[in-house]
Amino acid sequence: DVKVTQSSRYLVKRTGEKVFLECVQDMDHENMFWYRQDPGLGLRLIYFSYDVKMKEKGDIPEGYSVSREKKERFSLILESASTNQTSMYLCASSNKLGPVTDTQYFGPGTRLTVL
Amino acid sequence: LAKTTQPISMDSYEGQEVNITCSHNNIATNDYITWYQQFPSQGPRFIIQGYKTKVTNEVASLFIPADRKSSTLSLPRVSLSDTAVYYCLVGDIVAAGNKLTFGGGTRVLVKP
Repeated sequence: DVKVTQSSRYLVKRTGEKVFLECVQDMDHENMFWYRQDPGLGLRLIYFSYDVKMKEKGDIPEGYSVSREKKERFSLILESASTNQTSMYLCASSNKLGPVTDTQYFGPGTRLTVL
Repeated sequence: LAKTTQPISMDSYEGQEVNITCSHNNIATNDYITWYQQFPSQGPRFIIQGYKTKVTNEVASLFIPADRKSSTLSLPRVSLSDTAVYYCLVGDIVAAGNKLTFGGGTRVLVKP
């Protein structure tokens, strides 16, 4: 089974802190994603990466950056956390399946609270 | 970029069929339609995927009309454990410049 793990289930940080959210997948997937999930807004894509060191902005990249130095690891960075970044953060990975849209496997999520 | 629209919520009863429609008026030629299910405190998981006409697996069916501007997820004979949020996703393979867009999700409540 594909396993996507996230470094923390719950995290509490203060405004202005630098925050690192780590995601690791064990299935040698090329693609990795970071989403945030808020009530009533569904899943919104922050950044994605389709190869090591490659990254692309999603729909809401402002206030975030990412790093993908190794294939299995994709990090989400909040340079200076703000209260409006309090949310559930979900990481996902997928394999390239040619013409078929890649099925995404999600981690359990990190609930981040910024005080 | 194909935007998707789904009903916010729907209620059903055990043993009934549940149909959830997702609108994606500007779907592109290369886009596929994928549905995910999410239980509380878990990440979404894949249910079914299709390009056109009808797809069926052991969990659900997916109906896609010829114009592909909408799709309907059908859950046959639901049980209490099917209470979840269902997301529609439209997109092409993941590559440079290709973003995937989830809908807002439909919260399905199955009652006894």
